[in-house]
Amino acid sequence: QVQLVESGGGVVQPGWSLRLSCEASGFMFSIYTMHWVRQAPGKGLEWVAAISFDSNEEYYLDSVKGRFTISRDNFKKTVSLQMTSLRPEDTAVYYCAKEVRNTNGVVDNYFDSWGQGTRVTVSS
Amino acid sequence: IVLTQSPVTLSLSPGDRATLSCRASQSVDTYLAWYRQKPGQAPSLLIYNADTRATGVPARFSGSGSGTDFTLTISSLEPEDFAVYYCQQRRLWPPITFGQGTRLE
Repeated sequence: QVQLVESGGGVVQPGWSLRLSCEASGFMFSIYTMHWVRQAPGKGLEWVAAISFDSNEEYYLDSVKGRFTISRDNFKKTVSLQMTSLRPEDTAVYYCAKEVRNTNGVVDNYFDSWGQGTRVTVSS
Repeated sequence: IVLTQSPVTLSLSPGDRATLSCRASQSVDTYLAWYRQKPGQAPSLLIYNADTRATGVPARFSGSGSGTDFTLTISSLEPEDFAVYYCQQRRLWPPITFGQGTRLE
């Protein structure tokens, strides 16, 4: 079965860096665009970043552009999020998410599998 | 694209019918999904492309709508359905956007 396991969260001070990782198993990782979605305490879901199946394209939320970098290793079946210049407003649970394959066999930009999340707290 | 969900909170009982709404600030065609998030858990996909149930989702969940107005209907509420529901669009991204959520209590 599909499994996504995030790691790397923690408590850091503003301006510090953190690297999140997500290990995938149970599906053909190399054909899927992978995403990071976050959820601030008591708040809703916010999409953060995505990387195409072949790493040729990266997409970012405007507020993290230039500070966060998404990457992947199809051999190791991992996707990472390098976060720099962290701000208090980056405090959230960060989820790794996999896209759905629809009834026509086409991969689509909705998320049918999520990890358990890793918590990032940015506070002085 | 901004997604606005209503109501913010919906108070019902097991066995009731629930109707949740999601309105988009511009047309998303039918590129809209619904998720349920139980307390302390990651979201789970219920409906995508407005009306297609995801694998393993019970038939009591149905989605409808196109353009800017969408509805998630739960025909008869089970105890596990009392949770927060989010809509999500992928018509125009980045960014992929979510609604602010409807709490079903």
